[in-house]
Amino acid sequence: AQKVTQAQTEISVVEKEDVTLDCVYETRDTTYYLFWYKQPPSGELVFLIRRNSFDEQNEISGRYSWNFQKSTSSFNFTITASQVVDSAVYFCALLPSGTYKYIFGTGTRLKVLA
Amino acid sequence: DGGITQSPKYLFRKEGQNVTLSCEQNLNHDAMYWYRQDPGQGLRLIYYSQIVNDFQKGDIAEGYSVSREKKESFPLTVTSAQKNPTAFYLCASSQGANFNEQFFGPGTRLTVL
Repeated sequence: AQKVTQAQTEISVVEKEDVTLDCVYETRDTTYYLFWYKQPPSGELVFLIRRNSFDEQNEISGRYSWNFQKSTSSFNFTITASQVVDSAVYFCALLPSGTYKYIFGTGTRLKVLA
Repeated sequence: DGGITQSPKYLFRKEGQNVTLSCEQNLNHDAMYWYRQDPGQGLRLIYYSQIVNDFQKGDIAEGYSVSREKKESFPLTVTSAQKNPTAFYLCASSQGANFNEQFFGPGTRLTVL
């Protein structure tokens, strides 16, 4: 079975706190791709990052960082020094190799309070 | 600017009526998708198309129909057979499979009265 689990339904933090959004995936494929998307209140999903299964390098982009660990099937997303504008729903997604069907998690709603 | 357009943003229909949601992309992407999002839930795949004149059912295709006559267009019809059509509908496109992210439209919020 192929599945993405985002166990955190909703997280609230105070501005400037760091926050980590968890993503655990299941797949038997050796080649696959992982993505994170942000859905602000406007509704349109915005692509944040992608990773292929052979690249376990962590990545940092400004206040955002991603930790990909195949050993635990996790692809976690950390926001450092959160800001109110980070408030959104964040989705993790899995794309098995050779397919067109992206498998989305149920999303984590992040609320950053001023 | 390249992107995906969905119209209208808000749509109201009476129960029992078919309604067609528009999705157009100028990204020259081969693949297009329709998702449904209900409050507090993730994205559920309705239909997807890998190439013109071809499409496949997703996880919740019942009560919906699509067509892909042109590369840039992938309209979704919500039929009267869909028992609970009120939802937020998102269209997306991607350049083929493997490692390609999806680009999303702004969505259409359909309310059936």
